[in-house]
Amino acid sequence: GAVVSQHPSWVICKSGTSVKIECRSLDFQATTMFWYRQFPKQSLMLMATSNEGSKATYEQGVEKDKFLINHASLTLSTLTVTSAHPEDSSFYICSAPSGAGEQYFGPGTRLTVT
Amino acid sequence: EDQVTQSPEALRLQEGESSSLNCSYTVSGLRGLFWYRQDPGKGPEFLFTLYSAGEEKEKERLKATLTKKESFLHITAPKPEDSATYLCAVEFSNYQLIWGAGTKLIIKP
Repeated sequence: GAVVSQHPSWVICKSGTSVKIECRSLDFQATTMFWYRQFPKQSLMLMATSNEGSKATYEQGVEKDKFLINHASLTLSTLTVTSAHPEDSSFYICSAPSGAGEQYFGPGTRLTVT
Repeated sequence: EDQVTQSPEALRLQEGESSSLNCSYTVSGLRGLFWYRQDPGKGPEFLFTLYSAGEEKEKERLKATLTKKESFLHITAPKPEDSATYLCAVEFSNYQLIWGAGTKLIIKP
C-alpha cells in the first residue's frame, strides 16, 4: 500500500529555535498533503492543507507565520515551526490522499521544546 | 455544526469478547466515512472507507457498517493485538476530514 514517511520521528529543540519536519509520499504523487497536530489523549486537529505549487491553506486559529508550510514537489511537503515555544510541543502528523478516497498518514514527529 | 462523536471513550474487553464501537455524525453532504487505527506514538493506519448508507466492509476480525447517522465498527473475538485507539473521520470537502475523539480499546488476555 501507499507509504508516507516523516522525518525526523523525534526532535528536541530549545525555545526560540526553528524546526523543520519533512513529509514524503514514497510511492505516489500528492498534490495535496495535510498537516495535523495531536496532543496526548486527544484526536487529530487539522492545522493546514499543503498544496503543491501554491500557498498552504491554514485552519482558523493556526498562525501561518509560525507554522510555515512549503510543498516543494509532488512528493514532499515541509512544516517549519518557527521560534518554537514549549506550548508547541506536540505530535505532528502529515497525511496524503492516495486518489482512491483514502488518506495515508505518516508515522508522526514528536516535537519537544525545552 | 458539523460534528463527529465516538463512543465509548474507552472500552475494556476480555480476549474473545465481541463488541461494537460507535461513530455518530452530523455532517451535511457526507462524502465518506473513514475508520483508522492508531497505536501509541504512531500515525493512524487506514482501515475502511464507507460511502453510502447500508454499506459494509470487513477485514479480519473487524466489520464496519454505515447508516445515515452513524457507523459501527464491530470487532469479533478480539485478540490483545487489537488493542489500540480507533478513530472515525468524516470527509466533508476536498479530502478534509472531521475527526472523532477516538475510542481506546483494550483487550485483556
